[in-house]
Amino acid sequence: ETGVTQSPTHLIKTRGQQVTLRCSSQSGHNTVSWYQQALGQGPQFIFQYYREEENGRGNFPPRFSGLQFPNYSSELNVNALELDDSALYLCASSLASGGAYEQYFGPGTRLTVT
Amino acid sequence: QQQVKQSPQSLIVQKGGIPIINCAYENTAFDYFPWYQQFPGKGPALLIAIRPDVSEKKEGRFTISFNKSAKQFSLHIMDSQPGDSATYFCAASRPQGAQKLVFGQGTRLTINP
Repeated sequence: ETGVTQSPTHLIKTRGQQVTLRCSSQSGHNTVSWYQQALGQGPQFIFQYYREEENGRGNFPPRFSGLQFPNYSSELNVNALELDDSALYLCASSLASGGAYEQYFGPGTRLTVT
Repeated sequence: QQQVKQSPQSLIVQKGGIPIINCAYENTAFDYFPWYQQFPGKGPALLIAIRPDVSEKKEGRFTISFNKSAKQFSLHIMDSQPGDSATYFCAASRPQGAQKLVFGQGTRLTINP
């Protein structure tokens, strides 16, 4: 069984640029959630994708957007990067089967905005 | 109402001791309470989870105690080892809509040899 993978591992961008982060979900999982983890903080929910549609969104502006593909992999896009976007971006996959379900995290992408 | 409050922020325990990390929540709609372990530079790893219909759950050396009336739950680590040194996060989720995890602030645990 393959776990959740994310790419790239690290990324350095300049303020105002755009970035795309990628996630491959665990085998058999159909739901992907993205979280932002600032240094020394708990992860904050950005949004979730199920059946290629956004299934819920946290308190993040529209410049954070995403996609889910038919193979359940996902992308997180961030436009007009700001310094405060520097964080660890985590992808979590799960199998939606009614009720709360277990989410398994990838290793994350460390984004630094200068 | 979406917050989960975690304490302490940091904890130092001798090897073999039983560290206890506590979390409290307000939203009674939460019905799933996982604990995650995170090592530096890694993503959070699911350790153990509980639902409010039971008061305790054990998996190996990890135990969750759950007090529904007090809206509190805690993680106990039995026979702690230096390899358990990590940051631990509690979280909560509700069944409606996007089942997002609401995380506590984390506890940095150090187990001294």
